[in-house]
Amino acid sequence: GEDVEQSLFLSVREGDSSVINCTYTDSSSTYLYWYKQEPGAGLQLLTYIFSNMDMKQDQRLTVLLNKKDKHLSLRIADTQTGDSAIYFCAAEDGSSNTGKLIFGQGTTLQVKP
Amino acid sequence: GAVVSQHPSWVICKSGTSVKIECRSLDFQATTMFWYRQFPKQSLMLMATSNEGSKATYEQGVEKDKFLINHASLTLSTLTVTSAHPEDSSFYICSASRTALQETQYFGPGTRLLVL
Repeated sequence: GEDVEQSLFLSVREGDSSVINCTYTDSSSTYLYWYKQEPGAGLQLLTYIFSNMDMKQDQRLTVLLNKKDKHLSLRIADTQTGDSAIYFCAAEDGSSNTGKLIFGQGTTLQVKP
Repeated sequence: GAVVSQHPSWVICKSGTSVKIECRSLDFQATTMFWYRQFPKQSLMLMATSNEGSKATYEQGVEKDKFLINHASLTLSTLTVTSAHPEDSSFYICSASRTALQETQYFGPGTRLLVL
């Protein structure tokens, strides 16, 4: 089945760019997602990308997809202290017909002032 | 739009009791709802997928007699943890989507369960 991997921790200074990386195994995943989770809260959808796209930009967020390498990244420009959270990459399970998502372990982003 | 709520947000119960958690889609009809469990500092693990009016589909290793799921309407799904034990203490999160396929899942704020 699908396996999604992320690095566990990233620390940046306020104002710098953050890049969070993710790899997945199922090439049939149609959509790939980035979610943000703040302490004690549910998940907030940040953005998603369709598998036939290479890049998607939404304000400070840029998603890059390398389908050949099954690599997804999320770049946050001008990172702010309010961006400190856990970021989850998720991929659709291509073998499921129910929209099942497989999540990575989450990357904790620490933004230092 | 696409707001999902959960109730309660916090629950503490005694071992052996049952706890019901509600998940509601507030401004859309959810054909499919998903229930996840999250342990501290870990990822979300899908427990089950429920479609309105039909039986839930449970992931491997999830006891369906222990975690009862009911998706009675297009805006409400419930998860009942029966005869709860301390090892059931966790953060339970639901999500909802309008359709099963290729549709974004919108997540609720989560319910933290502590079983004493």
